[in-house]
Amino acid sequence: QQQVKQSPQSLIVQKGGISIINCAYENTAFDYFPWYQQFPGKGPALLIAIRPDVSEKKEGRFTISFNKSAKQFSLHIMDSQPGDSATYFCAALYRDDKIIFGKGTRLHILP
Amino acid sequence: DAGITQSPRHKVTETGTPVTLRCHQTENHRYMYWYRQDPGHGLRLIHYSYGVKDTDKGEVSDGYSVSRSKTEDFLLTLESATSSQTSVYFCAISVGDRRADEQFFGPGTRLTVL
Repeated sequence: QQQVKQSPQSLIVQKGGISIINCAYENTAFDYFPWYQQFPGKGPALLIAIRPDVSEKKEGRFTISFNKSAKQFSLHIMDSQPGDSATYFCAALYRDDKIIFGKGTRLHILP
Repeated sequence: DAGITQSPRHKVTETGTPVTLRCHQTENHRYMYWYRQDPGHGLRLIHYSYGVKDTDKGEVSDGYSVSRSKTEDFLLTLESATSSQTSVYFCAISVGDRRADEQFFGPGTRLTVL
């Protein structure tokens, strides 16, 4: 099954709070899991990525948690700021050249 | 922006007319991609290229064709545009060790088919 299921579709978080976006997959051949951030009117931009041999990767306020047995991964944004308001896409890569995107989560951080 | 430009940035056309979108890169990356983005569907791959004259289909390739005669240019053609092809189209290049790792996206082309 070549799908990546992303939830929630939209999310509202208070400034300073933790934003959590979840993704699930079924194909165990996926071996690279990036997250992309997209601001209105712009193309997506790679935010952070993880490979399945690690359970967590942190870059600044952004953390990916990866659960290989559950086939789930999530993006955590700590101390969320209004500037983090954007649409976030998870994705999964397999066979070197195929990348499947989730349907996106629109995040809004309240000031 | 990894030196990616798309043209035109906006286009309105009528059903049945041919449309060509251009993606241009300045850094000689081998892999290039065309996606469409629609509300509720995220990003869906249309076609991709792994070198000059080497292309392959993505998940939503029907109604689209591509060409890559030079490393720096990847063209997407709608032979006969339909209203269902109204979308935002993004070009991307891959700069990672593997073909689809670390994709960089262009600014997008908003296409409206009336």
